[in-house]
Amino acid sequence: EPEVTQTPSHQVTQMGQEVILRCVPISNHLYFYWYRQILGQKVEFLVSFYNNEISEKSEIFDDQFSVERPDGSNFTLKIRSTKLEDSAMYFCASSENRGFEYEQYFGPGTRLTVT
Amino acid sequence: KQEVTQIPAALSVPEGENLVLNCSFTDSAIYNLQWFRQDPGKGLTSLLLIQSSQREQTSGRLNASLDKSSGRSTLYIAASQPGDSATYLCAALMYSGGGADGLTFGKGTHLIIQP
Repeated sequence: EPEVTQTPSHQVTQMGQEVILRCVPISNHLYFYWYRQILGQKVEFLVSFYNNEISEKSEIFDDQFSVERPDGSNFTLKIRSTKLEDSAMYFCASSENRGFEYEQYFGPGTRLTVT
Repeated sequence: KQEVTQIPAALSVPEGENLVLNCSFTDSAIYNLQWFRQDPGKGLTSLLLIQSSQREQTSGRLNASLDKSSGRSTLYIAASQPGDSATYLCAALMYSGGGADGLTFGKGTHLIIQP
């Protein structure tokens, strides 16, 4: 069964460093998403991406964040200058399309630890 | 702003019991509602999606219902098994100006099934 994959599973970085989290969405899906979950808190929406541009973003997704689809399979989240409060589990998701009948399928997550 | 609440936060029941997990949302203008399962340190597994026009969905021992007018959804698990132990999350997909992208999650119900 097709699934969303994410690499790395765990990333440790120092405050102020740039990190890139990578995702391979399900191959025939058109919409891609990033979410994060700070330990003990709710899963929060960051951004959605369609047709090589941002479709929607939350208040969390500020100028420190960017997303890109560098090729036909990868979808990346870049955090320009990491802060301690960026430590969280980051989930990538994809859906076949946008709308009421389409499930979002999540990857296993990348645990980001900022020291 | 949409808020999603799940009650109870934790539940422990003996194996074999039927149980109900509750989810409430503040804004009835939703596209759909998804139920997920999250195992410790892992990603989110989609269990069921109920479209806004539907009243319920079933998958195996799981049955999810949706009452938009009252802002409630329930997940019914029949004949619970120890393997059902996990955190169960509900998430609502809201209408927005051009469509709907980001899911709004509840904090989850941590379920333990005692052998």
